[in-house]
Amino acid sequence: KAGVTQTPRYLIKTRGQQVTLSCSPISGHRSVSWYQQTPGQGLQFLFEYFSETQRNKGNFPGRFSGRQFSNSRSEMNVSTLELGDSALYLCASSLVRGPGTEAFFGQGTRLTVV
Amino acid sequence: KQEVTQIPAALSVPEGENLVLNCSFTDSAIYNLQWFRQDPGKGLTSLLLIQSSQREQTSGRLNASLDKSSGRSTLYIAASQPGDSATYLCASMDSNYQLIWGAGTKLIIKP
Repeated sequence: KAGVTQTPRYLIKTRGQQVTLSCSPISGHRSVSWYQQTPGQGLQFLFEYFSETQRNKGNFPGRFSGRQFSNSRSEMNVSTLELGDSALYLCASSLVRGPGTEAFFGQGTRLTVV
Repeated sequence: KQEVTQIPAALSVPEGENLVLNCSFTDSAIYNLQWFRQDPGKGLTSLLLIQSSQREQTSGRLNASLDKSSGRSTLYIAASQPGDSATYLCASMDSNYQLIWGAGTKLIIKP
């Protein structure tokens, strides 16, 4: 069965631009979470979507937003890009929400802001 | 606020050795504790998930334990192989189902 697919894999953007990243979860999975990974801050939670509703949001500015569609695919958007937004953005899908469910991660999107 | 710490930050051992990676957390009210591995430039692969009511989980050469009272989890790798070289991350799940991550231990297995 297909894993979590993130597109694009690599992206270079200029400061001030905006970017949209996509995540297709494993078929049947309804929960999608997004994380930012940087060498300095490590892995940080961005947000979680379940059944098209944002259930949880991390401590990031409003420039970071996301949504989930009826087929569980999710997108995240970053507006007015800053150099500090350069990071590996990871998406994880789970069958449902809850402590007993395993998270499966995609390969990530490497965003470079210049 | 939950804080997750992994010590050491890096570890290099000869092939064939058994080894233990450590993960500590400050708030014992966790919903689960998960171990992942990350290969360079890649995403995360789930290794083991221990729910709060469990004490350990095993998968092949891997064994993870959880002691909530002391705020510790350990990942035991038996008979290490060069293919085990990766960064190992632990994460605890809080009441909002949010994962709080450690900084990881970079493991190098020397042939």
